[in-house]
Amino acid sequence: DAMVIQNPRYQVTQFGKPVTLSCSQTLNHNVMYWYQQKSSQAPKLLFHYYDKDFNNEADTPDNFQSRRPNTSFCFLDIRSPGLGDAAMYLCATARMGDEQFFGPGTRLTVL
Amino acid sequence: RKEVEQDPGPFNVPEGATVAFNCTYSNSASQSFFWYRQDCRKEPKLLMSVYSSGNEDGRFTAQLNRASQYISLLIRDSKLSDSATYLCVVNKASWGKLQFGAGTQVVVTP
Repeated sequence: DAMVIQNPRYQVTQFGKPVTLSCSQTLNHNVMYWYQQKSSQAPKLLFHYYDKDFNNEADTPDNFQSRRPNTSFCFLDIRSPGLGDAAMYLCATARMGDEQFFGPGTRLTVL
Repeated sequence: RKEVEQDPGPFNVPEGATVAFNCTYSNSASQSFFWYRQDCRKEPKLLMSVYSSGNEDGRFTAQLNRASQYISLLIRDSKLSDSATYLCVVNKASWGKLQFGAGTQVVVTP
């Protein structure tokens, strides 16, 4: 039944060690989003894909990259995680302009 | 000024009571509006869209005031399961750029 799946649910990494978070969807939605949410804060959009077109938010650090090899999968790469990157990372999907469906999130801890 | 502002609460509500709270937004060109619910350490889930004429979904009523740029959510007959953080969300673009508020925490007590 799961529609937006994120793996892993919990990720622990060391300072500066690259990490990849994955998101997959069974909804065949053309738009996929990555958000960062820190404790007691609003989710913050990092970037989104409209089909294969990548759209970066102006204030997303270069440390964050993304790949979408096909409609179903999208990856978030953090090249050199810092302590300030510890957060919940949420993937969401939507048909253009429609309701966004969120995955359960990946909680990233940076040691 | 934040684009979407909410009172963080918490709003402590006795079971069965009514609670209401607002959210203000700064971009007058915002196109659509939503309330999402987020439980502790879980993902946001759509509670309801907010329409210009106001709309109701069971015990939940949402209102939009474009002139004053705020939306509201009212919960009647509060249940313990209504305890959550309620996120005010504004859609800024046709492709679905959502601007989230930081949320209003509601705690329903027995």
